[in-house]
Amino acid sequence: GEDVEQSLFLSVREGDSSVINCTYTDSSSTYLYWYKQEPGAGLQLLTYIFSNMDMKQDQRLTVLLNKKDKHLSLRIADTQTGDSAIYFCAERADAGNNRKLIWGLGTSLAVNP
Amino acid sequence: KAGVTQTPRYLIKTRGQQVTLSCSPISGHRSVSWYQQTPGQGLQFLFEYFSETQRNKGNFPGRFSGRQFSNSRSEMNVSTLELGDSALYLCASSPTGGQYGYTFGSGTRLTVV
Repeated sequence: GEDVEQSLFLSVREGDSSVINCTYTDSSSTYLYWYKQEPGAGLQLLTYIFSNMDMKQDQRLTVLLNKKDKHLSLRIADTQTGDSAIYFCAERADAGNNRKLIWGLGTSLAVNP
Repeated sequence: KAGVTQTPRYLIKTRGQQVTLSCSPISGHRSVSWYQQTPGQGLQFLFEYFSETQRNKGNFPGRFSGRQFSNSRSEMNVSTLELGDSALYLCASSPTGGQYGYTFGSGTRLTVV
């Protein structure tokens, strides 16, 4: 079946690195995404990675993909209080004409001063 | 340029009523997707429209329907509202297939009493 799993909570100190992990089950996934949601707001695309890549870096963000283990991680360097939010992992499942995004339940990141 | 606009932001309806939510995508974006977000189920895909045609559909009952107009604006309708329909409804747009990610609106918070 299709499933994306994330740990629900992560707490870090300001200035430390945060690592948010995600596992997925659909081997037909072509793209994987990280989105951020702040209270009362919609989802903001942070970054995405194509399934034939194993790493992507974008400023403070590093995405690692282990396709064999179906494991995706998001590392935020020098975490700031403004990074406190819920982070969602999503996979794009392309099964014929039934293309859709499958989402994890989100990891709530708390950054302590 | 303007982002994805959803109206209204908040809505309170009575069980049994129907509701229509509106989404205006980013100018030039032809794909519009709808999601239901609840604390227990997370983000669930409702449907996707592209050039006025429904391209994909999630596993929701027929009470949930949508449409897209020639200017790419989209509406979703829920008839015979149930208490369990209370959720944040999110609309997302992309230029074409969304492989590089979607831009989300801030959502419509629907409360059914």
